[in-house]
Amino acid sequence: AQRVTQPEKLLSVFKGAPVELKCNYSYSGSPELFWYVQYSRQRLQLLLRHISRESIKGFTADLNKGETSFHLKKPFAQEEDSAMYYCALRGGGGNKLTFGTGTQLKVEL
Amino acid sequence: DAGVIQSPRHEVTEMGQEVTLRCKPISGHNSLFWYRQTMMRGLELLIYFNNNVPIDDSGMPEDRFSAKMPNASFSTLKIQPSEPRDSAVYFCASSGGSSNYGYTFGSGTRLTVV
Repeated sequence: AQRVTQPEKLLSVFKGAPVELKCNYSYSGSPELFWYVQYSRQRLQLLLRHISRESIKGFTADLNKGETSFHLKKPFAQEEDSAMYYCALRGGGGNKLTFGTGTQLKVEL
Repeated sequence: DAGVIQSPRHEVTEMGQEVTLRCKPISGHNSLFWYRQTMMRGLELLIYFNNNVPIDDSGMPEDRFSAKMPNASFSTLKIQPSEPRDSAVYFCASSGGSSNYGYTFGSGTRLTVV
């Protein structure tokens, strides 16, 4: 079975502060991990794929197989980062994504 | 490409009525997914199709829910009869199937059952 855990429902930070959104997963094989972002009342958009090892909008995420984590980080939060963030896992060679319950990021001035 | 298109954007219906949600995936994508989003439970996968064939419907809550994909460019999710606890945002997503791809989501249908 595959499971994604996002322990924080809400994370509040000040503008300019570092951000870390936590994601832990449970999967016996080699997973593919993703981060999706949903701005207020909009569709979910793909933010990052671990396979790409890219930085998008200043966000990065590193897959740590030892700790089974894929935390999302940004050194300096901006007001426009306020959104809902979902971590997702795909495994087993199938095409099904399992999502965490999401973390609402609120960046305050 | 206009992306994944869902209709209607909003639906308000009375308990007991039939509700049909529609989705047009991205042309060329061979996988289609229906998700339900609520505050309490986040995103739940209801059902997904590969090449128009239902692969996993274990997330469908009960017999009141049914989904079809008659061709590669159209899918429906039907609730009959609807209940207030079905109120949620229903998202459709499609994928090209490559392991490098995530999903492309539609804008969702916000369903309110009163």
